[in-house]
Amino acid sequence: GQSLEQPSEVTAVEGAIVQINCTYQTSGFYGLSWYQQHDGGAPTFLSYNALDGLEETGRFSSFLSRSDSYGYLLLQELQMKDSASYFCAVHSGAGSYQLTFGKGTKLSVIP
Amino acid sequence: NAGVTQTPKFRVLKTGQSMTLLCAQDMNHEYMYWYRQDPGMGLRLIHYSVGEGTTAKGEVPDGYNVSRLKKQNFLLGLESAAPSQTSVYFCASTVRGSEDEQYFGPGTRLTVT
Repeated sequence: GQSLEQPSEVTAVEGAIVQINCTYQTSGFYGLSWYQQHDGGAPTFLSYNALDGLEETGRFSSFLSRSDSYGYLLLQELQMKDSASYFCAVHSGAGSYQLTFGKGTKLSVIP
Repeated sequence: NAGVTQTPKFRVLKTGQSMTLLCAQDMNHEYMYWYRQDPGMGLRLIHYSVGEGTTAKGEVPDGYNVSRLKKQNFLLGLESAAPSQTSVYFCASTVRGSEDEQYFGPGTRLTVT
């Protein structure tokens, strides 16, 4: 089966940088995605990494190390609206049709 | 485009009752998914479909059935609801189902008493 570990809560100051880590154990790994979910809302896609290295999209970056079964999401220039839960998810299995999600990291941005 | 829509938004059921949750997407996506989300948990896959007329089991399929008679619709059925099925249910769709982002509906909050 698959398992993912990420911190349950993180608090950071507005304007700062925060890194949310994700380690995973899975068979047939195809890639790692990150999703954001505000309270009461639906998850929305942030990024996807299939290869080792850093992917940058605006203030958000995502990193993957396949050899270490590890990835992280980096949020820069934090804004209050970034307060949300962030989920890492692995693509695995035949055809990688399925996503397995971590339990999520609740990020609180404080003034 | 409405994207992914879910009906109903809220529902309260008594134990043993049945219901169907409807998911509709207007993006012509091949792949559709049903997840449940419980407090402190990530999303867990219930069933998924890789095309019209096909369905497959996910991580937690027991107590649920699904149908994909039309490409744009994916139905999730609870034949005999149990309190353990109290959850928020999300539907999602994607073009290919691999690295493509999944587009989520707004969710259905179901309470079984």
